[in-house]
Amino acid sequence: TQLLEQSPQFLSIQEGENLTVYCNSSSVFSSLQWYRQEPGEGPVLLVTVVTGGEVKKLKRLTFQFGDARKDSSLHITAAQPGDTGLYLCAGGIKAAGNKLTFGGGTRVLVKP
Amino acid sequence: DTAVSQTPKYLVTQMGNDKSIKCEQNLGHDTMYWYKQDSKKFLKIMFSYNNKELIINETVPNRFSPKSPDKAHLNLHINSLELGDSAVYFCASRWGFTDTQYFGPGTRLTVL
Repeated sequence: TQLLEQSPQFLSIQEGENLTVYCNSSSVFSSLQWYRQEPGEGPVLLVTVVTGGEVKKLKRLTFQFGDARKDSSLHITAAQPGDTGLYLCAGGIKAAGNKLTFGGGTRVLVKP
Repeated sequence: DTAVSQTPKYLVTQMGNDKSIKCEQNLGHDTMYWYKQDSKKFLKIMFSYNNKELIINETVPNRFSPKSPDKAHLNLHINSLELGDSAVYFCASRWGFTDTQYFGPGTRLTVL
């Protein structure tokens, strides 16, 4: 069973501060995805990383896939209240029909 | 236009009842999923269908029976509902071997 652990579970910061969310596993994944979920809605994909060591940037968000493809991080620079939400990482394994295993989520609150 | 839609949005029912949740996607995807998100926001895969065929069946009680009448639809029927079935159920879809899954808005099921 592949398990993904996210840390921290909850993060409360002031607008303008930086934050990092971690996603760790003992398993190797074909891909690692980050989703953001708003209350009452389904998760929305932010990014997919597939190559070990890969770094992707999406405006103020920076995503990194570990060299061994077992872990990932999401860094937000100068957080804004609009970044508030539940961030979920999910590992995919092609050999298992691209089944996604989700982490427990990190709830981020950015106060104005 | 809604890409992945689910009905109903909310479902409140008594223990022991049988209920169905419907999912439709208009993205032309060939793979569809059902996930369960518990009160702690942990998202867990239940089933996956590819071209109307079941390809993933996680350890789910056989009271849950998915049905895919065609590639665009995946319904979930639940017999003899229990208190522990209360959760938000998400439908998702994907095309081919791509990694991205598109999620529906969720159905909040409450069993009293």
